[in-house]
Amino acid sequence: DAGVIQSPRHEVTEMGQEVTLRCKPISGHNSLFWYRQTMMRGLELLIYFNNNVPIDDSGMPEDRFSAKMPNASFSTLKIQPSEPRDSAVYFCVLGGAYSGANVLTFGAGSRLTVL
Amino acid sequence: ILNVEQSPQSLHVQEGDSTNFTCSFPSSNFYALHWYRWETAKSPEALFVMTLNGDEKKKGRISATLNTKEGYSYLYIKGSQPEDSATYLCAFTGRDDKIIFGKGTRLHILP
Repeated sequence: DAGVIQSPRHEVTEMGQEVTLRCKPISGHNSLFWYRQTMMRGLELLIYFNNNVPIDDSGMPEDRFSAKMPNASFSTLKIQPSEPRDSAVYFCVLGGAYSGANVLTFGAGSRLTVL
Repeated sequence: ILNVEQSPQSLHVQEGDSTNFTCSFPSSNFYALHWYRWETAKSPEALFVMTLNGDEKKKGRISATLNTKEGYSYLYIKGSQPEDSATYLCAFTGRDDKIIFGKGTRLHILP
């Protein structure tokens, strides 16, 4: 969805390197979710924010993963150091504020390959 | 641990036949249930968002029902067409706004 800009679209990196994935949400959405998609596990919720505040990060697999949302226009997901098992497509998804009944808006995803 | 289960994982249906698949979710803490259609190389397309027990929604040949007391939703496709081939995802939203997706049902329509 062109409305939610994720970068990079594709990244290939070597094990041990730091990876930063970025999301630029469109306005009017107060909730932001980071999901990881793999063939085995489908879409896994990593962390979500409401009004820029992290609400639940229990899905973050390890301390190597961190996410920030310094303002309503920007969020990052960082992996440091990266490992081959982190290879996946990472989606930034937007929802309405405190209302799970709103339709979600998906970014196009960032495909990460860790060698 | 919140579990959202979809079945079957994969389904082959002859063009023109009707089909349905299931999404099971926790009946406690329920707020909403979403259905999305996801084609390869595209972003998921919203089909339905349902919040009330007994809800039935329809969009063309696709319809969905919701039973929040027993924790399941069905998606029906009537008279399948090749363009219906996609992965169908359901997502459970709790009152805490946490949204958990099932792994999807991959539908293949055979000509």
